[in-house]
Amino acid sequence: DGGITQSPKYLFRKEGQNVTLSCEQNLNHDAMYWYRQDPGQGLRLIYYSQIVNDFQKGDIAEGYSVSREKKESFPLTVTSAQKNPTAFYLCASSSGGGPTEAFFGQGTRLTVV
Amino acid sequence: AQSVSQHNHHVILSEAASLELGCNYSYGGTVNLFWYVQYPGQHLQLLLKYFSGDPLVKGIKGFEAEFIKSKFSFNLRKPSVQWSDTAEYFCAVNAQSNTGKLIFGQGTTLQVKP
Repeated sequence: DGGITQSPKYLFRKEGQNVTLSCEQNLNHDAMYWYRQDPGQGLRLIYYSQIVNDFQKGDIAEGYSVSREKKESFPLTVTSAQKNPTAFYLCASSSGGGPTEAFFGQGTRLTVV
Repeated sequence: AQSVSQHNHHVILSEAASLELGCNYSYGGTVNLFWYVQYPGQHLQLLLKYFSGDPLVKGIKGFEAEFIKSKFSFNLRKPSVQWSDTAEYFCAVNAQSNTGKLIFGQGTTLQVKP
């Protein structure tokens, strides 16, 4: 089945540790995105990538980093510089080249204690 | 800055009631509009979208939305809701035609009582 796989579903980390969230897609999409979902705030864009080896900051990129070495993979690292990392993280992809439907993964719930 | 506003944060309806969820955006140029739904425990999925043409668009599961350019609105409607429509609904706007970046509203939680 084609789709977007995020792993793990739940992640717990101690404060001060970096953590990497995985996102893989087999839809052959050029563009990939990371959003953060908080109650009452909707989804906010962290980073996006329109093509391999290129990515751009979204609205709330501080404290996060990404890489796009392969078309199918777009991992997100939540660094210790992110002041409020506990959240639900959603990865998405689209065929790129303009406005099209974005497909979403099932998300990773990160809890930092 | 571009923004999307959903007026209702939590809506409770009985089955068979009609639904209208408001969505307004702030952007003066060409926009592409979406409604996504997140059922409990499931991933976000597309309900419907508007790019151009007929401003009244129909989506899955009996949902429809009307784009009113003069009001910067894209309200979601369903004539008769079912218990299975219980979910969180997000309005989203794409305001850059060369990317798929989306700006989301705050979301509306719909609870349908059987």
